[in-house]
Amino acid sequence: GQQLNQSPQSMFIQEGEDVSMNCTSSSIFNTWLWYKQDPGEGPVLLIALYKAGELTSNGRLTAQFGITRKDSFLNISASIPSDVGIYFCAGPTSGTYKYIFGTGTRLKVLA
Amino acid sequence: DSGVTQTPKHLITATGQRVTLRCSPRSGDLSVYWYQQSLDQGLQFLIQYYNGEERAKGNILERFSAQQFPDLHSELNLSSLELGDSALYFCASSPQGNPLNEQFFGPGTRLTVL
Repeated sequence: GQQLNQSPQSMFIQEGEDVSMNCTSSSIFNTWLWYKQDPGEGPVLLIALYKAGELTSNGRLTAQFGITRKDSFLNISASIPSDVGIYFCAGPTSGTYKYIFGTGTRLKVLA
Repeated sequence: DSGVTQTPKHLITATGQRVTLRCSPRSGDLSVYWYQQSLDQGLQFLIQYYNGEERAKGNILERFSAQQFPDLHSELNLSSLELGDSALYFCASSPQGNPLNEQFFGPGTRLTVL
């Protein structure tokens, strides 16, 4: 079945550094969504991408929909301690209502 | 606060037992989704209901079942529980049944099977 692989699996960064993570699929996606999950809570939507090549920002976050439609990227600029959490990419599988979530990137910020 | 409520917050039970998890969607949302998140794992989509009817099915075991009631709240029933069923179970809701809509997640129910 379709899978979404995220890399890196985890990362430790210093406060103030920029962060890049990506999500790849073995098949085409028509929508990419990026969620963040804080410890002990449910995921919260950060950014939604609906068109190949689209670049969308939300504050310090920027996400891009890859032109092949098989990948997406999320960048966080000038990280702060509250950026700690797990970042998931997700999307509906082609032609269905089923959602797939990626394997997640666990981010830890060192003050 | 997403507006989605889940009860109970924690549940501890024994193997072979049956439990029911409850979810109330945001006011006005017609669609409810259930997910399972095992330790250090991603979220596995289980099932979606839209306005009382099953809309999509994911990797839901036959021992698990769900329903959405006329008042739009939903219940996930887990039976013949096994140790491997220990996980966080999340409910999410969205205004319509379109998967392109943003899903709003509840705080989750942590199930521990001993």
